[in-house]
Amino acid sequence: NAGVTQTPKFQVLKTGQSMTLQCAQDMNHEYMSWYRQDPGMGLRLIHYSVGAGITDQGEVPNGYNVSRSTTEDFPLRLLSAAPSQTSVYFCASKRGSNYEQYFGPGTRLTVT
Amino acid sequence: AQSVSQHNHHVILSEAASLELGCNYSYGGTVNLFWYVQYPGQHLQLLLKYFSGDPLVKGIKGFEAEFIKSKFSFNLRKPSVQWSDTAEYFCAVNAPGGGADGLTFGKGTHLIIQP
Repeated sequence: NAGVTQTPKFQVLKTGQSMTLQCAQDMNHEYMSWYRQDPGMGLRLIHYSVGAGITDQGEVPNGYNVSRSTTEDFPLRLLSAAPSQTSVYFCASKRGSNYEQYFGPGTRLTVT
Repeated sequence: AQSVSQHNHHVILSEAASLELGCNYSYGGTVNLFWYVQYPGQHLQLLLKYFSGDPLVKGIKGFEAEFIKSKFSFNLRKPSVQWSDTAEYFCAVNAPGGGADGLTFGKGTHLIIQP
């Protein structure tokens, strides 16, 4: 069981570039989420999904897109990167609403 | 929407001291409560969780937390800290059915244990 995996571990982008952060889980969890972690801010929810084909916005969704075509994968897309999106991004999954979340190792993104 | 407040942003203790980290949340309905720990350079690990039942919950590494519903609090405690407890600690709340079904985190407490 690999749990929640994320790629890449590190990424540097120029302003305006686009990219996709990958997230996969092998626990057959229905719920998946994306968070960003910034110093002094804790973690903030970007988008989440309660099952394949279903996604919704969290606290800070602007500038990010998601889709959930399979149970296993939940990619996060940055359409036009901005310096304000420099952050550490964590993907998480859980079995259902009343269960704990399992976090991936994170992707450290720098936008110059 | 729910919110979480952690009282201390930085805490410095000596080894063997007792620890209590405060956490309050604001939400009027049923909540699930969590404490996560993030060691330097690592991802978040679950320390303990409360869903229902006994309000005193025990977690890993000797940590415990008490849910006091009347005070909307979920404080983390450890009777005797070790140098290896140096880390960032996050309190989080999830309100099932209360809007966005993700965790709302506090801003974190950076704990430094001096040998």
